[in-house]
Amino acid sequence: QITLKESGPTLVKPTQTLTLTCTFSGFSLSTSGVGVGWIRQPPGKALEWLALIYWDDDKRYSPSLKSRLTITKDTSKNQVVLTMTNMDPVDTATYYCAHSLVVPAAPQDNWFDPWGQGTLVTVSS
Amino acid sequence: QSVLTQPPSVSGAPGQRVTISCTGSSSNIGAGYDVHWYQQLPGTAPKLLIYGNSNRPSGVPDRFSGSKSGTSASLAITGLQAEDEADYYCQSYDSSLSDWVFGGGTKLTVL
Repeated sequence: QITLKESGPTLVKPTQTLTLTCTFSGFSLSTSGVGVGWIRQPPGKALEWLALIYWDDDKRYSPSLKSRLTITKDTSKNQVVLTMTNMDPVDTATYYCAHSLVVPAAPQDNWFDPWGQGTLVTVSS
Repeated sequence: QSVLTQPPSVSGAPGQRVTISCTGSSSNIGAGYDVHWYQQLPGTAPKLLIYGNSNRPSGVPDRFSGSKSGTSASLAITGLQAEDEADYYCQSYDSSLSDWVFGGGTKLTVL
């Protein structure tokens, strides 16, 4: 059974850097085809994909946020870390991490399953 | 404004059939990228409902079905039940944005 859980601060100040950790079990991020993504959801709003890291350390970022995001993995700890710099109140959201698998013949056709429970991050002074 | 357009809300009575549309463009659904659907019950994380346009993960009732045609996709729910009341999101890939994209979400109300 695959499970993921997000952890990190619940409150950050504007301009600070947010660091979130996704700790997972039930799969290895050293297995070919496996990835972990981050998706966020502002209160009452839609989902927004942020970043994805693959087993081979290939990293993908949302172009609109690329300059502010860094995703890394620690395979030995079964963790993926997302950092987001220069936080702003508009970044207030629930942040989810999710397991993903590469579709061999169609590498962009990833879906996300399962998801962690999410962690609400509020940006306020 | 989401790249994938969904109706903000749909509703139906128990036992009825409802459909939720997801309209994209030639850089996402129309380019041949798969569409996936998620169900988000109130206060919970999204759950995969349909992957690869029309495939159901193990455990998802066959009341839920997906289809895709041209630049659009649809999620159909038959035999509507009270527990289906949730937000539903479509997801695909957009080659112009180099982004995995989600629809704006549709709130399903069971009357």
